[in-house]
Amino acid sequence: DSGVTQTPKHLITATGQRVTLRCSPRSGDLSVYWYQQSLDQGLQFLIQYYNGEERAKGNILERFSAQQFPDLHSELNLSSLELGDSALYFCASSPGTGSGGAKNIQYFGAGTRLSVL
Amino acid sequence: AQKITQTQPGMFVQEKEAVTLDCTYDTSDQSYGLFWYKQPSSGEMIFLIYQGSYDEQNATEGRYSLNFQKARKSANLVISASQLGDSAMYFCAMRDNNYGQNFVFGPGTRLSVLP
Repeated sequence: DSGVTQTPKHLITATGQRVTLRCSPRSGDLSVYWYQQSLDQGLQFLIQYYNGEERAKGNILERFSAQQFPDLHSELNLSSLELGDSALYFCASSPGTGSGGAKNIQYFGAGTRLSVL
Repeated sequence: AQKITQTQPGMFVQEKEAVTLDCTYDTSDQSYGLFWYKQPSSGEMIFLIYQGSYDEQNATEGRYSLNFQKARKSANLVISASQLGDSAMYFCAMRDNNYGQNFVFGPGTRLSVLP
């Protein structure tokens, strides 16, 4: 058990809908990262938050947004869903900002499998 | 340009044998980190081992070791005494400062351990 909790484990929804994925990082970790894993794109970094503030952005669509709350949990919001958004979405956490050394190890949650029908 | 290359889409190994999973990377940064993760069929991503670019010794964690050859830009994962539970996808990942200090993952290698 990595200590990172993601809910829900599975989500089935329809095109055009909006969903929210939730992540609780490991105790003491200040950074939260979101990744998307799909068959054709592999594992893609979406966005990072550090202590409530956006730190880095990757290949995140404008239809997607995220935030990190004062208690350090994070939510990833996906809107106007398309069939191609079906994927496994991972949250990971690390103690530091991600800037080096063993502090930068990212521990992953079990993922949320999103199916858009 | 692809940053992480894993040239073996699939590998087979006999139980109790050792296996090496290849990873080569591309970076112009001097400070970077290399990571290996395991993804079993259940889907979770499990951290295995870390190697920093300035670490002089190859990293080891139990049955896992990392064969780090900096000049060749390779970071191969060696699993000794393979077990059936080692059957999974294995991903090599890199963090470098040129990529916003966030992870880039390779395409993965599927390892199957045969009884």
